[in-house]
Amino acid sequence: GNSVTQMEGPVTLSEEAFLTINCTYTATGYPSLFWYVQYPGEGLQLLLKATKADDKGSNKGFEATYRKETTSFHLEKGSVQVSDSAVYFCALSDNTGGFKTIFGAGTRLFVKA
Amino acid sequence: SAVISQKPSRDICQRGTSLTIQCQVDSQVTMMFWYRQQPGQSLTLIATANQGSEATYESGFVIDKFPISRPNLTFSTLTVSNMSPEDSSIYLCSVDRQGSTGGGYTFGSGTRLTVV
Repeated sequence: GNSVTQMEGPVTLSEEAFLTINCTYTATGYPSLFWYVQYPGEGLQLLLKATKADDKGSNKGFEATYRKETTSFHLEKGSVQVSDSAVYFCALSDNTGGFKTIFGAGTRLFVKA
Repeated sequence: SAVISQKPSRDICQRGTSLTIQCQVDSQVTMMFWYRQQPGQSLTLIATANQGSEATYESGFVIDKFPISRPNLTFSTLTVSNMSPEDSSIYLCSVDRQGSTGGGYTFGSGTRLTVV
């Protein structure tokens, strides 16, 4: 079945540092891939998405590229801010899974001033 | 994309009682999804709710414990029945933003349930 594996947290960085959160997936079909963010005390928000191989999703300075050859969708940001402190979830969805979305375990990011 | 109103936002309930959570969407959607997020953990899909048919439950979740209603294309409820402390979680409803697998989800704000 489908699954998503992402790096364990917490990840602690200083402001303006480079961020990478690794995500790999297993899927039987051709999934769409997503990153969601959950800020403290808030609900989940879609951060970015990519629907086919080699697509790059981007939003708020975050980027992730859909790599079919390595089944990966790593999240990156060149310069993090304190306001980026949150939990980040990698996820996938495809029609072989009945249009369901499967989430990774989440990675908590702390950014220090 | 759709806007979802979910209520209650939080509740503290006695064990053995039931709580019904409501989600109202501002547009018609075919499928609604109910998730559970246990403390410090990821989201686990409980069931998919389609209008006019029985909900489809994931492994480990049963209708007697989590009955779902979907009376129309904009509304759904999830009931957590005969609650125990292990049911303390955040419960979220969601819909696909574009009515397809490629859109990503919009989530309700969640219901934080504490069972004492």
